[in-house]
Amino acid sequence: TQLLEQSPQFLSIQEGENLTVYCNSSSVFSSLQWYRQEPGEGPVLLVTVVTGGEVKKLKRLTFQFGDARKDSSLHITAAQPGDTGLYLCAGEASNTGKLIFGQGTTLQVKP
Amino acid sequence: KAGVTQTPRYLIKTRGQQVTLSCSPISGHRSVSWYQQTPGQGLQFLFEYFSETQRNKGNFPGRFSGRQFSNSRSEMNVSTLELGDSALYLCASSLVFGSSEAFFGQGTRLTVV
Repeated sequence: TQLLEQSPQFLSIQEGENLTVYCNSSSVFSSLQWYRQEPGEGPVLLVTVVTGGEVKKLKRLTFQFGDARKDSSLHITAAQPGDTGLYLCAGEASNTGKLIFGQGTTLQVKP
Repeated sequence: KAGVTQTPRYLIKTRGQQVTLSCSPISGHRSVSWYQQTPGQGLQFLFEYFSETQRNKGNFPGRFSGRQFSNSRSEMNVSTLELGDSALYLCASSLVFGSSEAFFGQGTRLTVV
């Protein structure tokens, strides 16, 4: 069974700080996605990484896919209160199209 | 372009009842997946439909079922509701089966009392 473990589970920081969220697995994934979910809403797709070692930037967010395609990280620079939410990583299980989700990282950015 | 639409947004049911949830995918998307989200278990895959056929199924009991219509709209049914079925049920649409990029609706919050 393919599993994705996210760390940390909870993060509370001050506005302006940097942070990194990790998504790890012992399995290889053909692609990994990162989603952000706000309370009462569905997850919103932020990025998809496909190639080992790939780095993608979305404004202050930097996403990296591990060389072996088993892990990924999300780095936020100068966090803002609007970044508050649940961050989820998801991997496509063995080219089935079926998404496996990590447990999520709840981020709170205080003004 | 309209997003994924789920109805209803909120639902309260009694144990033993059954419930039907509806999902309209993004126009042109033909694959619909359903997920259950709870604080303890996170997001868990229920099933995926493409071209009116179930293509993938998660590890849920047979009380959970679904179907997809020719216009790609999908419904999910849960029979003999249990307290533990209380959750946010999310529908996601993808362009085709096997696409890893899923676009989610706002979800249906089901409370079983």
